[in-house]
Amino acid sequence: GAVVSQHPSWVICKSGTSVKIECRSLDFQATTMFWYRQFPKQSLMLMATSNEGSKATYEQGVEKDKFLINHASLTLSTLTVTSAHPEDSSFYICSARDFWGGYNEQFFGPGTRLTVL
Amino acid sequence: AQSVTQPDIHITVSEGASLELRCNYSYGATPYLFWYVQSPGQGLQLLLKYFSGDTLVQGIKGFEAEFKRSQSSFNLRKPSVHWSDAAEYFCAVDMRFGAGTRLTVKP
Repeated sequence: GAVVSQHPSWVICKSGTSVKIECRSLDFQATTMFWYRQFPKQSLMLMATSNEGSKATYEQGVEKDKFLINHASLTLSTLTVTSAHPEDSSFYICSARDFWGGYNEQFFGPGTRLTVL
Repeated sequence: AQSVTQPDIHITVSEGASLELRCNYSYGATPYLFWYVQSPGQGLQLLLKYFSGDTLVQGIKGFEAEFKRSQSSFNLRKPSVHWSDAAEYFCAVDMRFGAGTRLTVKP
């Protein structure tokens, strides 16, 4: 149980286009989802926290107009990188938490590698 | 504000030797603490977690960690390292991660 999927696993796009990444909790309801960014050989940087049905809360320094997050259902959150540029190339990881289970543990997706040409 | 510090960027140990990876945190209440491992090209794997109770936590792959409130620490230990343990290790407080410690294992 507690499986989180991401789609796509990798994507290449041209500069100026938008890319949508999906994060799904497959066997539980995710009241909260998190989006992270990881540069090569670096740690995971929390970008934003989203609660189902609410607007996402972005970390300081993260452009909310650049990284649009939608958490419209208890099993799906999406991250859209708008007008992507080469500096947006990174590994994006989502995680989901089922708070109602009484735990504060996150379950991580496998990540999406974005390359912007 | 929450913060997590992993003071060692890179550690090298010999196979069979013991290992301790350090983690210090800053948090106002009792924290939820985690250790994860990430191998090259792989996703995150949870090694162990601490929410409450016994301060010595056993995890997978022979790892353990001890929560010390007085020192604000949650260090990860393993008595005998295997070559397959070479990876990046991350300590996390709730949803925030430390910078990571890269472990190299010498034959």
